[in-house]
Amino acid sequence: DVKVTQSSRYLVKRTGEKVFLECVQDMDHENMFWYRQDPGLGLRLIYFSYDVKMKEKGDIPEGYSVSREKKERFSLILESASTNQTSMYLCATLDRGLYEQYFGPGTRLTVT
Amino acid sequence: GENVEQHPSTLSVQEGDSAVIKCTYSDSASNYFPWYKQELGKGPQLIIDIRSNVGEKKDQRIAVTLNKTAKHFSLHITETQPEDSAVYFCAASGTTSGSARQLTFGSGTQLTVLP
Repeated sequence: DVKVTQSSRYLVKRTGEKVFLECVQDMDHENMFWYRQDPGLGLRLIYFSYDVKMKEKGDIPEGYSVSREKKERFSLILESASTNQTSMYLCATLDRGLYEQYFGPGTRLTVT
Repeated sequence: GENVEQHPSTLSVQEGDSAVIKCTYSDSASNYFPWYKQELGKGPQLIIDIRSNVGEKKDQRIAVTLNKTAKHFSLHITETQPEDSAVYFCAASGTTSGSARQLTFGSGTQLTVLP
């Protein structure tokens, strides 16, 4: 079974803080994704990575950056958290050449 | 880029009835259409998908239909059960970058099955 874990289920941070969200997978998948999920907006792609040290912007990258130093770990960084980044953040993985994305349980981030 | 619209946003059905969720997409190059189910406190999980060379696909009580001409696809759940209560997302994909197939998701449908 594919396992995708995210470092925290719930996180509360203050405006202006630097925030790190971690995602770890155990299935050796090349591709990893970060989405944010908001009511009425579905899942929106922030960034994805198709290999170690490789990254591409998704639809809403502003205010975020990512890091992938090892194949199994993909980090989402909020350089200076703002209240409009309060959301559910979901990590997903995808094996090369295949179709199904596997999601972690999500991190609910609140920025006050 | 791709745009996916999903309706309805909420759907309540009696246990044993059928549920239908509809999605439309904008990019005629999209060729892969998955449906994900998200239960409370969990990440989305793939329940069924369809590719553009097929018009319909069934898996027990779940079926998906695709109309490429009209650019819409639908999820059908028959004989609904309380455990079908969840948020359902449709998605469309045609874009690849590196080896990654990107998905564009709909806004989600909260399905509630009433006992």
